[in-house]
Amino acid sequence: DTEVTQTPKHLVMGMTNKKSLKCEQHMGHRAMYWYKQKAKKPPELMFVYSYEKLSINESVPSRFSPECPNSSLLNLHLHALQPEDSALYLCATKIPGGTDGYTFGSGTRLTVV
Amino acid sequence: GQQVMQIPQYQHVQEGEDFTTYCNSSTTLSNIQWYKQRPGGHPVFLIQLVKSGEVKKQKRLTFQFGEAKKNSSLHITATQTTDVGTYFCAGQRTASKLTFGTGTRLQVTL
Repeated sequence: DTEVTQTPKHLVMGMTNKKSLKCEQHMGHRAMYWYKQKAKKPPELMFVYSYEKLSINESVPSRFSPECPNSSLLNLHLHALQPEDSALYLCATKIPGGTDGYTFGSGTRLTVV
Repeated sequence: GQQVMQIPQYQHVQEGEDFTTYCNSSTTLSNIQWYKQRPGGHPVFLIQLVKSGEVKKQKRLTFQFGEAKKNSSLHITATQTTDVGTYFCAGQRTASKLTFGTGTRLQVTL
């Protein structure tokens, strides 16, 4: 079980669509992360939020737009995506107490058609 | 930029055999973490190593952090079918960025 909840679990969208991925965490940590994982590849960092402010953008194209409305919520707005953006999108936050480890949500499996 | 490589990419073992994956970073790390991702699942945190030369054990799993804090290994003794998945090391240089290794996919058959 995870205390990081992502919705939807699966999403199919056309290249002209606008959609949003949502992440909610109740771990109490003020850092939140978006990762992208292509098939058979490691997760790659996209964005880091710290205290609801964007602290790292790993040169992600502007068709991905992150938002952190409060300390529990993280959104990823998608617009005009390309088929190569199809991937598993993972949200994470830090595990509380004594470790730098991350807990991940179960992810949104995105297919762009 | 920082690169973290793992070998082998894939290993297929019979149940009961041992398994080891090796992780190498191009830069010195503040800590190394290990994650397991089951097929169709998400990465799950296993452990963190912080000190040079550190060794930690979790039941049949043994984790090591190299003296130079640039490499690490995960050894599984007597594999079971429940060990199937991809094992990622992940290195941290700064508090904000965790860089995943390339991963080792483990297949275990009876």
